[in-house]
Amino acid sequence: EDKVVQSPLSLVVHEGDTVTLNCSYEVTNFRSLLWYKQEKKAPTFLFMLTSSGIEKKSGRLSSILDKKELFSILNITATQTGDSAVYLCAVGIGGATNKLIFGTGTLLAVQP
Amino acid sequence: GAVVSQHPSRVICKSGTSVKIECRSLDFQATTMFWYRQFPKQSLMLMATSNEGSKATYEQGVEKDKFLINHASLTLSTLTVTSAHPEDSSFYICSAQQFISAPNEKLFFGSGTQLSVL
Repeated sequence: EDKVVQSPLSLVVHEGDTVTLNCSYEVTNFRSLLWYKQEKKAPTFLFMLTSSGIEKKSGRLSSILDKKELFSILNITATQTGDSAVYLCAVGIGGATNKLIFGTGTLLAVQP
Repeated sequence: GAVVSQHPSRVICKSGTSVKIECRSLDFQATTMFWYRQFPKQSLMLMATSNEGSKATYEQGVEKDKFLINHASLTLSTLTVTSAHPEDSSFYICSAQQFISAPNEKLFFGSGTQLSVL
């Protein structure tokens, strides 16, 4: 059975801290790994990773994929209260359609 | 990015009634749309894959007679929760795959529908 596991389930930090969120996966036909940020409603896209070792970066956020060890990390530096959200990791499964298997999510709370 | 519109955003209904949720891709054609369900503080669980012009593919454990999916055009998919019960109360969210020659994993999500069944 395909599965995606995220850790930690929740995290509380103070503004300015750096956080690392983890995502491991076991799937039969890996295509890509994606990170989303979900605040109240629809998840918003952050990164898509397909190759190992290539860091994707957007402002204070960065992510990298290790296809040998089957995991990815999402780093957030100099956290702000606006970073508080659920961060979802999803793995795209091969085939004709872009089926995504989502992880359990990590609830991040950034305190002032 | 592409826009996916989902309506209604919130619905409250009595037990036994049916509720229809619409998902529209506003500025692109979506050959495939996905329907997810999310319980509080849990992740998105894929319910079914909706393909334009054909029957939906349901995930294991999802009752196809309970959750009717119709994908009549390249821009519209609907999910009907039939004879809703309190345990169907949840957040339902759709996503759409943009129709381009190469598969695109950057799915676009609707804003979701919070269903509350009394």
